[in-house]
Amino acid sequence: ETGVTQTPRHLVMGMTNKKSLKCEQHLGHNAMYWYKQSAKKPLELMFVYSLEERVENNSVPSRFSPECPNSSHLFLHLHTLQPEDSALYLCASSRQGARRNEQYFGPGTRLTVT
Amino acid sequence: DAKTTQPPSMDCAEGRAANLPCNHSTISGNEYVYWYRQIHSQGPQYIIHGLKNNETNEMASLIITEDRKSSTLILPHATLRDTAVYYCIVSGNQGGKLIFGQGTELSVKP
Repeated sequence: ETGVTQTPRHLVMGMTNKKSLKCEQHLGHNAMYWYKQSAKKPLELMFVYSLEERVENNSVPSRFSPECPNSSHLFLHLHTLQPEDSALYLCASSRQGARRNEQYFGPGTRLTVT
Repeated sequence: DAKTTQPPSMDCAEGRAANLPCNHSTISGNEYVYWYRQIHSQGPQYIIHGLKNNETNEMASLIITEDRKSSTLILPHATLRDTAVYYCIVSGNQGGKLIFGQGTELSVKP
Protein backbone atom coordinates (compact mmCIF):
# COMPACT_ATOMS: atom_id res chain seq x y z
CA GLU A 1 0.00 0.00 0.00
CA THR A 2 1.70 3.19 -1.21
CA GLY A 3 -0.97 5.76 -0.34
CA VAL A 4 -1.92 6.13 -4.01
CA THR A 5 -5.10 4.41 -5.15
CA GLN A 6 -6.41 3.94 -8.67
CA THR A 7 -9.84 2.89 -9.91
CA PRO A 8 -10.87 0.88 -11.73
CA ARG A 9 -8.09 -1.71 -11.65
CA HIS A 10 -9.25 -3.25 -14.93
CA LEU A 11 -11.25 -1.66 -17.73
CA VAL A 12 -12.44 -2.98 -21.08
CA MET A 13 -13.91 -0.41 -23.42
CA GLY A 14 -14.95 -0.16 -27.03
CA MET A 15 -13.48 2.43 -29.35
CA THR A 16 -16.61 4.57 -29.20
CA ASN A 17 -16.94 4.58 -25.41
CA LYS A 18 -16.10 7.36 -22.98
CA LYS A 19 -14.61 6.39 -19.66
CA SER A 20 -12.51 7.95 -16.90
CA LEU A 21 -9.65 6.69 -14.78
CA LYS A 22 -9.37 8.00 -11.24
CA CYS A 23 -6.34 8.44 -9.01
CA GLU A 24 -6.30 9.58 -5.39
CA GLN A 25 -3.31 10.19 -3.16
CA HIS A 26 -3.39 10.33 0.64
CA LEU A 27 0.20 11.51 1.14
CA GLY A 28 -0.16 15.28 1.17
CA HIS A 29 1.80 15.57 -2.07
CA ASN A 30 1.55 18.54 -4.43
CA ALA A 31 2.44 16.94 -7.77
CA MET A 32 0.71 14.15 -9.68
CA TYR A 33 1.59 12.23 -12.83
CA TRP A 34 0.08 9.93 -15.44
CA TYR A 35 2.27 7.29 -17.07
CA LYS A 36 1.49 4.74 -19.76
CA GLN A 37 3.16 1.32 -19.89
CA SER A 38 2.57 -0.70 -23.05
CA ALA A 39 3.61 -4.32 -23.32
CA LYS A 40 7.40 -4.77 -23.51
CA LYS A 41 7.99 -0.99 -23.41
CA PRO A 42 9.32 1.34 -20.73
CA LEU A 43 7.00 3.61 -18.79
CA GLU A 44 6.15 6.75 -20.75
CA LEU A 45 5.36 9.98 -18.93
CA MET A 46 2.09 11.44 -20.23
CA PHE A 47 1.14 14.37 -18.01
CA VAL A 48 2.49 16.21 -14.98
CA TYR A 49 0.43 18.38 -12.64
CA SER A 50 2.13 20.59 -10.09
CA LEU A 51 -0.02 22.50 -7.61
CA GLU A 52 -3.05 21.54 -9.72
CA GLU A 53 -1.66 23.12 -12.89
CA ARG A 54 -0.60 21.05 -15.86
CA VAL A 55 3.09 21.64 -16.33
CA GLU A 56 3.88 18.94 -18.86
CA ASN A 57 2.09 17.23 -21.72
CA ASN A 58 4.32 14.83 -23.61
CA SER A 59 2.64 15.04 -27.02
CA VAL A 60 -0.25 12.91 -25.88
CA PRO A 61 -3.18 12.58 -28.34
CA SER A 62 -6.25 14.64 -27.51
CA ARG A 63 -8.32 11.50 -26.96
CA PHE A 64 -6.63 11.48 -23.52
CA SER A 65 -7.78 14.40 -21.39
CA PRO A 66 -6.41 14.86 -17.86
CA GLU A 67 -8.12 16.73 -15.04
CA CYS A 68 -6.73 17.67 -11.63
CA PRO A 69 -9.53 19.26 -9.53
CA ASN A 70 -7.39 19.39 -6.37
CA SER A 71 -4.02 18.22 -5.13
CA SER A 72 -5.36 14.84 -4.02
CA HIS A 73 -7.25 13.77 -7.13
CA LEU A 74 -6.30 13.19 -10.73
CA PHE A 75 -8.46 11.92 -13.56
CA LEU A 76 -7.74 10.71 -17.06
CA HIS A 77 -10.76 11.02 -19.35
CA LEU A 78 -10.76 8.67 -22.31
CA HIS A 79 -12.77 8.90 -25.52
CA THR A 80 -12.62 7.29 -28.96
CA LEU A 81 -9.54 5.28 -28.07
CA GLN A 82 -7.67 2.96 -30.42
CA PRO A 83 -6.65 -0.66 -29.78
CA GLU A 84 -3.01 0.47 -29.51
CA ASP A 85 -4.01 2.49 -26.44
CA SER A 86 -4.40 -0.77 -24.54
CA ALA A 87 -1.84 -0.57 -21.74
CA LEU A 88 -1.27 -0.25 -18.01
CA TYR A 89 -1.96 3.34 -16.91
CA LEU A 90 -0.11 4.37 -13.79
CA CYS A 91 -0.64 7.35 -11.55
CA ALA A 92 2.07 8.71 -9.25
CA SER A 93 2.48 11.57 -6.80
CA SER A 94 5.38 13.40 -5.19
CA ARG A 95 6.22 16.43 -3.08
CA GLN A 96 7.95 18.87 -5.39
CA GLY A 97 10.28 21.32 -3.75
CA ALA A 98 11.20 18.90 -0.99
CA ARG A 99 14.67 17.49 -0.62
CA ARG A 100 13.36 13.99 -1.16
CA ASN A 101 11.35 13.98 -4.34
CA GLU A 102 10.62 10.32 -4.85
CA GLN A 103 7.43 9.41 -6.65
CA TYR A 104 4.89 7.00 -5.19
CA PHE A 105 2.94 4.96 -7.71
CA GLY A 106 -0.52 3.48 -7.62
CA PRO A 107 -1.24 -0.10 -8.70
CA GLY A 108 -2.35 0.97 -12.16
CA THR A 109 -5.41 0.48 -14.34
CA ARG A 110 -5.14 -2.27 -16.94
CA LEU A 111 -6.99 -0.89 -19.98
CA THR A 112 -8.08 -3.00 -22.93
CA VAL A 113 -9.59 -1.28 -25.96
CA THR A 114 -11.62 -3.58 -28.20
CA ASP B 1 15.98 8.80 -24.32
CA ALA B 2 16.98 7.34 -20.96
CA LYS B 3 20.35 8.61 -19.74
CA THR B 4 21.33 5.34 -18.10
CA THR B 5 22.55 1.94 -19.29
CA GLN B 6 21.70 -1.27 -17.45
CA PRO B 7 22.10 -4.95 -18.30
CA PRO B 8 18.77 -6.35 -19.52
CA SER B 9 18.72 -9.28 -17.10
CA MET B 10 20.52 -10.85 -14.12
CA ASP B 11 20.12 -13.90 -11.96
CA CYS B 12 20.82 -14.15 -8.26
CA ALA B 13 20.64 -17.03 -5.81
CA GLU B 14 18.26 -16.62 -2.90
CA GLY B 15 20.07 -15.37 0.20
CA ARG B 16 23.00 -13.98 -1.75
CA ALA B 17 23.71 -10.33 -2.45
CA ALA B 18 22.35 -8.95 -5.71
CA ASN B 19 24.56 -6.27 -7.26
CA LEU B 20 22.85 -4.33 -10.03
CA PRO B 21 25.09 -2.02 -12.08
CA CYS B 22 24.14 1.19 -13.86
CA ASN B 23 26.14 3.49 -16.11
CA HIS B 24 25.24 7.18 -16.25
CA SER B 25 28.31 8.75 -17.83
CA THR B 26 26.50 11.95 -18.87
CA ILE B 27 25.10 12.76 -15.43
CA SER B 28 25.26 16.46 -14.57
CA GLY B 29 26.29 17.97 -11.28
CA ASN B 30 22.78 18.59 -9.95
CA GLU B 31 21.27 15.25 -10.96
CA TYR B 32 20.54 12.49 -8.50
CA VAL B 33 20.59 8.75 -9.12
CA TYR B 34 17.25 7.10 -8.31
CA TRP B 35 16.43 3.41 -8.17
CA TYR B 36 12.93 2.02 -8.53
CA ARG B 37 11.69 -1.51 -9.02
CA GLN B 38 8.55 -2.93 -10.58
CA ILE B 39 7.19 -6.28 -9.60
CA HIS B 40 5.16 -7.88 -12.36
CA SER B 41 1.95 -5.96 -13.16
CA GLN B 42 2.32 -3.60 -10.18
CA GLY B 43 3.27 0.06 -10.02
CA PRO B 44 6.96 0.93 -9.62
CA GLN B 45 8.29 1.21 -6.07
CA TYR B 46 10.89 3.72 -4.92
CA ILE B 47 13.98 2.07 -3.44
CA ILE B 48 16.72 4.62 -2.82
CA HIS B 49 18.44 7.65 -4.28
CA GLY B 50 21.74 9.49 -3.90
CA LEU B 51 23.84 12.37 -5.17
CA LYS B 52 27.48 11.44 -4.56
CA ASN B 53 27.73 9.74 -1.19
CA ASN B 54 26.87 6.11 -0.68
CA GLU B 55 23.42 5.60 0.79
CA THR B 56 21.76 2.80 2.73
CA ASN B 57 18.21 2.22 3.86
CA GLU B 58 16.13 -0.73 4.99
CA MET B 59 15.74 -1.98 1.43
CA ALA B 60 19.14 -1.57 -0.20
CA SER B 61 22.51 0.15 -0.46
CA LEU B 62 23.56 2.50 -3.24
CA ILE B 63 27.23 2.80 -4.15
CA ILE B 64 28.12 5.71 -6.44
CA THR B 65 31.59 5.94 -7.98
CA GLU B 66 33.70 8.97 -7.19
CA ASP B 67 33.34 10.34 -10.74
CA ARG B 68 29.55 9.68 -10.51
CA LYS B 69 29.54 7.99 -13.91
CA SER B 70 28.23 4.71 -12.56
CA SER B 71 26.52 3.21 -9.55
CA THR B 72 25.56 -0.14 -8.07
CA LEU B 73 22.40 -1.06 -6.21
CA ILE B 74 23.00 -3.78 -3.64
CA LEU B 75 20.28 -5.98 -2.21
CA PRO B 76 22.24 -7.62 0.62
CA HIS B 77 20.20 -10.81 1.02
CA ALA B 78 17.98 -11.31 -2.00
CA THR B 79 14.68 -13.14 -1.56
CA LEU B 80 12.27 -14.56 -4.11
CA ARG B 81 10.08 -11.49 -3.57
CA ASP B 82 12.90 -9.31 -4.90
CA THR B 83 12.31 -10.71 -8.39
CA ALA B 84 11.39 -7.59 -10.39
CA VAL B 85 12.55 -5.12 -13.02
CA TYR B 86 14.97 -2.62 -11.49
CA TYR B 87 15.23 0.87 -12.98
CA CYS B 88 18.14 3.24 -12.56
CA ILE B 89 17.15 6.85 -13.34
CA VAL B 90 19.00 10.16 -13.18
CA SER B 91 16.92 13.21 -12.41
CA GLY B 92 17.17 16.66 -10.95
CA ASN B 93 15.85 16.44 -7.41
CA GLN B 94 13.46 19.35 -7.75
CA GLY B 95 12.05 18.53 -11.15
CA GLY B 96 10.19 15.35 -10.38
CA LYS B 97 10.48 14.10 -13.95
CA LEU B 98 11.52 10.47 -14.26
CA ILE B 99 12.52 8.92 -17.59
CA PHE B 100 12.34 5.15 -17.38
CA GLY B 101 14.51 2.91 -19.54
CA GLN B 102 14.20 -0.82 -20.01
CA GLY B 103 15.75 -1.61 -16.62
CA THR B 104 17.31 -4.86 -15.42
CA GLU B 105 15.09 -7.89 -14.94
CA LEU B 106 16.38 -9.55 -11.79
CA SER B 107 15.42 -13.17 -11.21
CA VAL B 108 16.08 -14.51 -7.73
CA LYS B 109 16.24 -18.29 -7.82
CA PRO B 110 15.93 -20.77 -4.94
